[in-house]
Amino acid sequence: AQKITQTQPGMFVQEKEAVTLDCTYDTSDQSYGLFWYKQPSSGEMIFLIYQGSYDEQNATEGRYSLNFQKARKSANLVISASQLGDSAMYFCAMRVNQAGTALIFGKGTTLSVSS
Amino acid sequence: NAGVTQTPKFQVLKTGQSMTLQCAQDMNHEYMSWYRQDPGMGLRLIHYSVGAGITDQGEVPNGYNVSRSTTEDFPLRLLSAAPSQTSVYFCASSYSTGWGNEKLFFGSGTQLSVL
Repeated sequence: AQKITQTQPGMFVQEKEAVTLDCTYDTSDQSYGLFWYKQPSSGEMIFLIYQGSYDEQNATEGRYSLNFQKARKSANLVISASQLGDSAMYFCAMRVNQAGTALIFGKGTTLSVSS
Repeated sequence: NAGVTQTPKFQVLKTGQSMTLQCAQDMNHEYMSWYRQDPGMGLRLIHYSVGAGITDQGEVPNGYNVSRSTTEDFPLRLLSAAPSQTSVYFCASSYSTGWGNEKLFFGSGTQLSVL
């Protein structure tokens, strides 16, 4: 069975600092996709970044990068130069095998950025 | 461009009542899915559809029914509401890129309380 684990319920960081949000996954599939979504207090879900299991390079999207370590089954999100607007809940997710684009999510990490 | 529209935004039910949460998308997306979000649990997949006429169960399908008679609509039915179904419900849709990197387009959510 596929599983996503996020072990950090909450993280605190100061503005302009970098922060790493942890995500480990479990799957028996050779081909899989990993995603990170952001949910601010407004409740909307915002796509941040995607990593495919066969991608040779770690994904990057602006200030977001994904530290993908396949052997360790980890896909940590790195946010560089944190901003106050980064305060939100962050979810790691994996595409469900043979379920189209449906995802299973981790329990999330609440990030708080202070000035 | 409306995107993914969920109605209603808020709903209060009594135990045993039935209701349908509506989800419509105007992007001609083939894939649609329903999730529930509970505090500390992240988002959990209820049901998903890979095309009109095709639906399947996700992680937590008990107590919910779905159908997909058109590409645009994917309603979620609660046949006999229970307090355990108090949650925020999200509908999402996406298209296939063939590369596995399809991001989900989420609706704004329905907050359901069952008394």
